[in-house]
This record gives sequence, structure tokens and C-alpha cells, in this order.
Amino acid sequence: GAGVSQTPSNKVTEKGKYVELRCDPISGHTALYWYRQSLGQGPEFLIYFQGTGAADDSGLPNDRFFAVRPEGSVSTLKIQRTERGDSAVYLCASSLAGVRGETQYFGPGTRLLVL
Amino acid sequence: QQQVKQSPQSLIVQKGGISIINCAYENTAFDYFPWYQQFPGKGPALLIAIRPDVSEKKEGRFTISFNKSAKQFSLHIMDSQPGDSATYFCAASRIQGAQKLVFGQGTRLTINP
Repeated sequence: GAGVSQTPSNKVTEKGKYVELRCDPISGHTALYWYRQSLGQGPEFLIYFQGTGAADDSGLPNDRFFAVRPEGSVSTLKIQRTERGDSAVYLCASSLAGVRGETQYFGPGTRLLVL
Repeated sequence: QQQVKQSPQSLIVQKGGISIINCAYENTAFDYFPWYQQFPGKGPALLIAIRPDVSEKKEGRFTISFNKSAKQFSLHIMDSQPGDSATYFCAASRIQGAQKLVFGQGTRLTINP
């Protein structure tokens, strides 16, 4: 079956612009995670959805970052007033139910470059 | 605060050799320890994982060794192959709450033919 997909694969924007990054999780997966991976670093947690609700958004760096998952499937990560420091690979992962020890399946990521 | 520390940053091993990557954690609330493999331009993919109730888990050429008292765990790749060349991340997640993964900094492994 299809894995986690993310669009666009690459996004170049100018400082101050607004961007939206999309994640399509594996069908039937209720848990969805966003991570951010800076060059040469491990992924860092941003936000976790269980169904439609954001169950844990403790990793969002500031109020310029926001994410939604209105129907419990596709999720969109939104970044307002982008800054050069936002440049990174944004990874989405999904798991079946979000329970302890469950495998998280990652998408290929969206590479965001803010000029 | 780095909750999961990984070493080395990079590692070069000859084909057929053993690759060893180490991780240490601080938070005793962690109870699930996966290893992920990442190829350039791809997302991380789960390789093998362990719970702290066992000291070792083996799947094919990949073995996790776990030392709960030392709060350390390591990945051993036996008979390393050029196709194993990738970046490896250890990670940890907590017993309760959101199963968000805390990743180490990564190890870039190169297997020379």
C-alpha cells in the first residue's frame, strides 16, 4: 500500500512569506506527527495529532507555526512570516493508533528553503 | 538540553566488518528505543527497536544491546555491506502521553567495499 506522502517535495520562498506543507498519512492511521530536521541533525518533534485534534503541540517553536488536520486524515503545517532559520526538512510521520511502542512511518519530507 | 546523545558522528567500516553506534539517554521515563535508518533524500525508516525489559534484540544482521542501569543502548551491524551506508538515528519515547520520538544527532555510516 501507499506510504506517507508529502507535498511539495521542495519549497523555496522569500523571507516574510507564508507557506503551507501538506502530509497524507497512511490510510487508517489515526496518529500523525510533524518533525523538523535541520541539516546534519536528527528530527525534532513539532506537533502530534490524534484524529482531528492536536494532542501535543509542545514542539512548535513559536506562534508563527500552526498545523491542522480537519478531517483526521490529511494534515497541513502552516508557517507565517517565514524566517531564514525556518529552512529545514519538514517530516511527517503516521502510526496506526499512537500507542506505546508503535512504529512511526515517515514520509520523504518537504525541503523548505527561505531566502 | 540533549536528551539522547549519539556517537560517533561518522563511522567508516570495511565491508564485512562490524559497525557499532552508541546512544545514551537521561530521562528514565523513556521506555521505547528504536533505531532509524535514513538514506539521502528519504525519510527515516524503522530498522529495529527494543523495550527496556530485555537486554538484547537481534533481527538478521542488526542487534540492539541495552543497558538499563547505565542508560545506554547500542546498534551493532554484523557483516556490514556497502548498502548499509546511510545515516542512523537512535531515538526514545516515553511510557505515557504522546509517543513523540526524541532523536539522537545521527551517525553517518560509510561501508567501504
